[in-house]
Amino acid sequence: DIVMTQTPLSLSVTPGQPASISCKSSQSLLHSDGKTYLYWLLQKPGQPPQLLIYEVSTRFSGVPDRFSGSGSGTDFTLKISRVEAEDVGVYYCMQSTQLPRTFGPGTKVDIK
Amino acid sequence: QVQLQESGPGLVKPSETLSLTCSVSGYSISSGYRWGWIRQPPGMGLEWIGSIFYSGSPFYNPSLMSRVTISVDTSKNQFSLRLTSMTAADTAVYYCARWPDSWGPGSLVTVSS
Repeated sequence: DIVMTQTPLSLSVTPGQPASISCKSSQSLLHSDGKTYLYWLLQKPGQPPQLLIYEVSTRFSGVPDRFSGSGSGTDFTLKISRVEAEDVGVYYCMQSTQLPRTFGPGTKVDIK
Repeated sequence: QVQLQESGPGLVKPSETLSLTCSVSGYSISSGYRWGWIRQPPGMGLEWIGSIFYSGSPFYNPSLMSRVTISVDTSKNQFSLRLTSMTAADTAVYYCARWPDSWGPGSLVTVSS
């Protein structure tokens, strides 16, 4: 299985300040079709996960442009340019390149 | 806009079989996408159980493969999860999803006698 790791595991951010989460995979996520199936999801308190970013850097419909994703191979980053109160929750990276699909442990983001 | 809703028992006895159904509205399962099940033990992270394309074979997590079956009923626009030999370790919120962009609200399943 591909193991996904995330750092940090928790993050406390002042509103309006940037935040960054790192995700690393134990194997390259570059698929033979040329795409990289790395996703970012946010699970707000008491809610199911919601998709933020797919294929490393494409924002899902309705996701604010303060969220951006980057990376390649085994190293990926999610950046929030200016954190807002509604961004609190647990952020997960997830790979869909290989079976079984696997998730990172999650990064809990709260507001200072 | 696609909506998904899990349904099934909230309590299962040890060794019994869990059956959950995901009802999909706003999108036809046979129009595409893979349809999946994911679970989350209380206070813990996410585990992919498996997924299925409406006309293809399902993919399962090897850790559960001997116990899990995912199937699709296109006539009802539903897909289902069956997990046998349940134990306390299977206690979790079970989510269905149009993989991976749309998730149901989740269904808490507790395994207890």
